Parts: sequence; structure tokens; C-alpha cells
Amino acid sequence: DGGITQSPKYLFRKEGQNVTLSCEQNLNHDAMYWYRQDPGQGLRLIYYSQIVNDFQKGDIAEGYSVSREKKESFPLTVTSAQKNPTAFYLCASSKGQVSYEQYFGPGTRLTVT
Amino acid sequence: GQQLNQSPQSMFIQEGEDVSMNCTSSSIFNTWLWYKQDPGEGPVLLIALYKAGELTSNGRLTAQFGITRKDSFLNISASIPSDVGIYFCAGLRETSGSRLTFGEGTQLTVNP
Repeated sequence: DGGITQSPKYLFRKEGQNVTLSCEQNLNHDAMYWYRQDPGQGLRLIYYSQIVNDFQKGDIAEGYSVSREKKESFPLTVTSAQKNPTAFYLCASSKGQVSYEQYFGPGTRLTVT
Repeated sequence: GQQLNQSPQSMFIQEGEDVSMNCTSSSIFNTWLWYKQDPGEGPVLLIALYKAGELTSNGRLTAQFGITRKDSFLNISASIPSDVGIYFCAGLRETSGSRLTFGEGTQLTVNP
């Protein structure tokens, strides 16, 4: 089945450690996105990539980094510089210029203590 | 930042009732999308709208692309308990590339 996978579903880390969240899609979509969601709030864009080997900052990129070495994969690293990293992280993808409908993965809940 | 005003913020209704929610903005949008999010899951795309005035249905859900291109509406008819969740609108502006702007969501509770 085609879709977007995020792993793991739950992730726990100690403060000061970097952590990388995985996002993989087999939809052959060109564009991929990372969002952060805090309790009772909407989605805020962290980074997005419209094509392999290229990505742009979203509204809240500070303390995060990404790479896009393969079309299928868009990992997000939450660095120790991110002041409040505990949140629900959502990855999405879209066909890009052909269609901007975004399809979401199941999310990763990160808890940093 | 957020430029979509989604209302209401929350709704508490009885099973069988109809529901209406909307998103408004001061900006013009080319595309409107409506998503539903269950607790602890990713949002699921419900309806996509591409033309001003367009009215599209998906089962008991009907959404409309406002004629001014600055708003969109979602209606749910004859609500059932599994309609519970958070509903998000999202819009695509002409100048924003592939970046969607999201509303802050409407939390729907359906009492059996």
C-alpha cells in the first residue's frame, strides 16, 4: 500500500541530546513537509522540500535541521538548540506543482525530559 | 504565521445534528482543503476545493469554496459519534508556492 510512514510513534530523549525523526513515503511525491503540533493548537511548518537536495525553512525552523538526499525520505533532526522540543511531529507529502494536496503520516510524539 | 480564522473553536452537539464550521481570511486563496484529525493521529484529507463557488461533497460532508476566495465552509449532516475529532481548514495562496496555511482547528464532540 502507498503511504507515508513515520517512526517511531513515541520517542523519549534526555535534554541536550539530538534526535532524528524518520519520514518515508512511497507515493512518488516530489514535495515533503515537517510540521509541529502542540496540544490544542494548529500545525506549524518547520521545514519543507520541493525537490531532492533542496529544502526551505518554514515558520519555526530554529533548532531543527533536515536533509533530502532521496525522494522517498525526509528526516528531521531535533537539536539540543531547540528550546521546547516536546511536541507531536507530523510529516506530509504532496505531488508538488501538479497538486498541492498534502497527505500526512501518523505522527511521532517526542518527549524530552 | 496563521492567517486563517477558523470558527467555532469547539462544538458540542447531539448525535444526528448537522454541523457547520468555516474559515475566513483577509487574503485570497487558490485552493481550500479540509482535514480531520483523530487523537494521536495525522490529519486525513476530507475534501479539496479548487474554484471559487465550488461545492463538493464526500458522503455526509459538504464543503464550499467561498465566492470571494477568502473563505470556505464545511458542513456535516446527521452527525454520528465517529465524527468526533479536530477539523482543520488549509488554504493555498498564489504567492506561497506549495506552503499551506492552516486554521487552528474546530474540536467537534458528538454526544450519543
